[in-house]
Amino acid sequence: QTVVTQESSFSVSPGGTVTLTCGLSSGSVSTSYYPNWCQQTPGQPPRTLIYNTNVRSSGVPDRFSGSILGNKAALTITGAQADDESDYYCGLYMGNGIWVFGGGTKLTVL
Amino acid sequence: QVQLQESGPGLVKPSQTLSLTCTVSGDSISSSIYYWSWIRQPAGRGLEWIGRIYSSGSANYNTSLWGRVSISIDTSKNQFSLTLTSVTAADTAVYYCARGASGWVWGQGVLVDVSS
Repeated sequence: QTVVTQESSFSVSPGGTVTLTCGLSSGSVSTSYYPNWCQQTPGQPPRTLIYNTNVRSSGVPDRFSGSILGNKAALTITGAQADDESDYYCGLYMGNGIWVFGGGTKLTVL
Repeated sequence: QVQLQESGPGLVKPSQTLSLTCTVSGDSISSSIYYWSWIRQPAGRGLEWIGRIYSSGSANYNTSLWGRVSISIDTSKNQFSLTLTSVTAADTAVYYCARGASGWVWGQGVLVDVSS
């Protein structure tokens, strides 16, 4: 069974740029996987930031951007702020109506 | 603006059936554009996609839950529901419903504890 891989943790300085990635245990991520990125803070439901690789959800600041980098989907945060400290999850469409989430990346801003 | 609200028992005994309902407001669940999903999250852990359903009734499920899970839709009530049979402690989680197809729009979630 294919596993969706994410960094377990990452840190970024305030004002800095960070790129989180979402890969596959076997194979490459492409736009055909319709990568979604969700942000979650403790005690809150997730919030979708990016869908279909690079489309920002309504109200999401343009410092969040999505792309394909090499063989992975990527979420880039430019000009990180303190309230970007969250868990970030990617979701990939595997075909046949099936979605799979990655294990999530805990982002620290310090 | 679409809103989703989960409801159902917060405590279910092992081996019994978990049943949750998601009530949708601000959008018609009959729309053919979107699909309607269930996703869960055990405490301190990541998200697990459970399944989805279209207004036509066509559904897809996480293969790891195959045989135990069913999602149904009631367009007259603008609701869709999750049924999970033969539950164990491993099914204890916050359960979210969400609208999909243009980025998930999430409900607030409901905690379900499987315990005797």
